[in-house]
Amino acid sequence: DQQVKQNSPSLSVQEGRISILNCDYTNSMFDYFLWYKKYPAEGPTFLISISSIKDKNEDGRFTVFLNKSAKHLSLHIVPSQPGDSAVYFCAASALAGGADGLTFGKGTHLIIQP
Amino acid sequence: DVKVTQSSRYLVKRTGEKVFLECVQDMDHENMFWYRQDPGLGLRLIYFSYDVKMKEKGDIPEGYSVSREKKERFSLILESASTNQTSMYLCASSIQETQYFGPGTRLLVL
Repeated sequence: DQQVKQNSPSLSVQEGRISILNCDYTNSMFDYFLWYKKYPAEGPTFLISISSIKDKNEDGRFTVFLNKSAKHLSLHIVPSQPGDSAVYFCAASALAGGADGLTFGKGTHLIIQP
Repeated sequence: DVKVTQSSRYLVKRTGEKVFLECVQDMDHENMFWYRQDPGLGLRLIYFSYDVKMKEKGDIPEGYSVSREKKERFSLILESASTNQTSMYLCASSIQETQYFGPGTRLLVL
């Protein structure tokens, strides 16, 4: 049973426009959410996170929104740049301190077109 | 800057061989993790450790074991490698919820 779902395997966006990546979860015990970016043959790189006590967190071009009642979060990238082309993973943690590991979605491949 | 290093970027092994994947972090983190990443499946947790000599099974521990003799080092062991263990192996460490990953080891089992 998939607890973290990224329903779009790929997304194509024009350079300069907004990219919106979506993630849904089913486990109501999750209280901390993260987004990672991954290039081929490299490890994932941490992008941004949000605690369940917030509904928005912003860091430069990246903003994460959390809707707890809908069990939905999204990552907005604006403006999109060619270097943003990568696979993006949504992840969630149920234990304070993250000591039990993260549950990841299957990823969305973002392609930024010139 | 957090640094997580993995002993090999690419590895080719034969079926039945014992395989050791090493991971070292330099940030004095308590928690360390091993994941594997396969196309279309995302990252799946194999084992994790929250202290020296402590280990916990993740979602897919079968066919693997781990060792954590020192805080900075976490080893993943494939006791008898099989072709279905061909994958990208990723090590991570964390002190809170945010995990920091190494570059990964791409393992091919023939």
